[in-house]
Amino acid sequence: SQQGEEDPQALSIQEGENATMNCSYKTSINNLQWYRQNSGRGLVHLILIRSNEREKHSGRLRVTLDTSKKSSSLLITASRAADTASYFCATENTGGYQKVTFGTGTKLQVIP
Amino acid sequence: KAGVTQTPRYLIKTRGQQVTLSCSPISGHRSVSWYQQTPGQGLQFLFEYFSETQRNKGNFPGRFSGRQFSNSRSEMNVSTLELGDSALYLCASNFIGGGSYNEQFFGPGTRLTVL
Repeated sequence: SQQGEEDPQALSIQEGENATMNCSYKTSINNLQWYRQNSGRGLVHLILIRSNEREKHSGRLRVTLDTSKKSSSLLITASRAADTASYFCATENTGGYQKVTFGTGTKLQVIP
Repeated sequence: KAGVTQTPRYLIKTRGQQVTLSCSPISGHRSVSWYQQTPGQGLQFLFEYFSETQRNKGNFPGRFSGRQFSNSRSEMNVSTLELGDSALYLCASNFIGGGSYNEQFFGPGTRLTVL
């Protein structure tokens, strides 16, 4: 089962615009990570935010984490056609049977 | 440094057969995790191995099994294949496997088709 759910499921924007994706999860976490996947290939790690952090930046990426709402957002600024991909959040859960859970993903299309 | 490699890249099997997939992690990485990705269920965690021991396991039937060798290479096996096992199987390696998960490096995946 999926712990995380991304919203929206799909997003289409023009090049240069900002893209925002949201992730909600259900259980307590140690950290939350965002990954990118290009069309049926392996995933690439983008950024990790720990449960005691609220915001993190990496280049054009900005991630926020609200543990009280069990949600995170990924903002990509000044998007490029090359950003077209699926984006997944992944949570490392604090306990239980399954340690790492991926969300359902957001499919981003950036139109040149 | 070479990335995570997975073999084979594509595989076609028929129902009832078994299959073995292989994953070679990045040199120095001792943690290897396996995931199944399907359009319907998304990315699901299968299991994780660290120093030849299975540390964590997802919610999959016993037909799915794995192992890790002393050189950290890992294999996963699926027995008695079903149509629903058709998926992209992804392997990921992780340098720090002792406590918390950190960045996982993914291989390109093995695309399994069950006919």
